[in-house]
Amino acid sequence: NAGVMQNPRHLVRRRGQEARLRCSPMKGHSHVYWYRQLPEEGLKFMVYLQKENIIDESGMPKERFSAEFPKEGPSILRIQQVVRGDSAAYFCASSPERGNGSPLHFGNGTRLTVT
Amino acid sequence: GENVEQHPSTLSVQEGDSAVIKCTYSDSASNYFPWYKQELGKGPQLIIDIRSNVGEKKDQRIAVTLNKTAKHFSLHITETQPEDSAVYFCAAVGFQKLVFGTGTRLLVSP
Repeated sequence: NAGVMQNPRHLVRRRGQEARLRCSPMKGHSHVYWYRQLPEEGLKFMVYLQKENIIDESGMPKERFSAEFPKEGPSILRIQQVVRGDSAAYFCASSPERGNGSPLHFGNGTRLTVT
Repeated sequence: GENVEQHPSTLSVQEGDSAVIKCTYSDSASNYFPWYKQELGKGPQLIIDIRSNVGEKKDQRIAVTLNKTAKHFSLHITETQPEDSAVYFCAAVGFQKLVFGTGTRLLVSP
C-alpha cells in the first residue's frame, strides 16, 4: 500500500539548468497538489491538477515553472533555467477527491539545491 | 483568499506536560481543518482533522477544537512524549486548496 512517491529525494542543479520533479500519487487518487517549503517556513501552495487538467495554478510563478499530470504516468513539476532562489523542498500531495474536506497525503519531498 | 495564522512559532515543554497550538483563519466559508506533523527530512503527516459541523474531536492524546464564530481552532496534545517533538502545521481549506499556517516547532524534553 504505497503512499505518495516522489523522486528524486535530492536534486542538485547549476544555475540555468532544468529541474524535473516527479510525483506518483497514492493508488486511486486522481488529484495532485504541489507545495514549496523554504527552510524554516511553512508550505506554500503552487498548483492543483487532476488527470490531464490544471485546475488551479495561482501559486506558481508565471515564468520558468510548469506542471503536468498526464493520463498515464506521474505528475511532473518542471523548473526551467533554475536560479538560487528556487532552492527549496518541493512536496507533492494527493487526494481521492477535490481538496474541500478531503485529506491530503504528502510524499517525503524533493530537496532542490541550486548551486 | 484564505489566510491562516499560527501561534506560537516555538513551544518547549517537559515530558508529560500538555501542549496547545492555536490557529486563526480568515475565510468564513472554510469548512475543513487538518493538522499535520512534520519530522525532519520528511513530508507532513496528517494527525487529526475536524470539519465545521463539529466543535471538538479526540484521538488518544490528541484533540482539536474549533470555534467557527471566532474563526479559530486549536490542537491539544496531552501527556507529551519526546517523540512528539516535530513541527506542527494547521491548515484550512480555501477555495479548492489547503492553506497552511507557518508552523510550530514543538520540543519535548525528557
